[in-house]
Amino acid sequence: EVLLVESGGALVQPGGSLRLSCAASGFTFSSYSMNWVRQAPGKGLEWLSYTSDSTTIVYYADSVKGRFTISRDNAKNSLYLQMNSLRDEDTAVYYCARSPRYSSGSFDYWGQGTLVTVSS
Amino acid sequence: DIQMTQSPSSLSASVGDRVTITCQASQDISKYLNWYQQKPGKAPKLLIYDASNLETGVPSKFSGSGSGTDFIFTISSLQPEDVATYYCQQYDNLPYTFGQGTKLHIK
Repeated sequence: EVLLVESGGALVQPGGSLRLSCAASGFTFSSYSMNWVRQAPGKGLEWLSYTSDSTTIVYYADSVKGRFTISRDNAKNSLYLQMNSLRDEDTAVYYCARSPRYSSGSFDYWGQGTLVTVSS
Repeated sequence: DIQMTQSPSSLSASVGDRVTITCQASQDISKYLNWYQQKPGKAPKLLIYDASNLETGVPSKFSGSGSGTDFIFTISSLQPEDVATYYCQQYDNLPYTFGQGTKLHIK
């Protein structure tokens, strides 16, 4: 069974930093591209970042470019999102999501999400 | 960025009804369109990829069609368990973008 479990969400002050983790199991993690997607309270979905299976290719949404960094450790079956210079508008549930091999822009498995609250 | 516009934003229908949601892209995205279902408090679930392909394990009452800029998502016979918010998402161009969602209620 494919399982993605996010962790690391917390209450953080504006300007602060946070590192989210996503532990993957039930599939060959090193063979799949991965993404981060977020959802502000009561709002829709926003794709944030993509990494290829070997991290040679990464993409970011403009809203987080230069502040967030996606990374992965294939030996640990883990995906990460380093978030710096956090703003109030970064408050959201953050999901990690797998891209299936047939479509790098789709998200076929999602974690349960981890809540990040940016507030003073 | 490609803007995705869903219609309607909210929809109320009766059990057994055929339900249709539309999604319009601000530019041609070919077939690169997905549909997701999100139940309250849960992560989204992929239902349809490449505009019309049913994801493995998804009931055949869900279907999708369209190409270019105009897409349709259909539930053939609405059931209580289909209460959710439905999102379209394009992946023709980065950044990948979602529609604003359609919240589906039972009358």
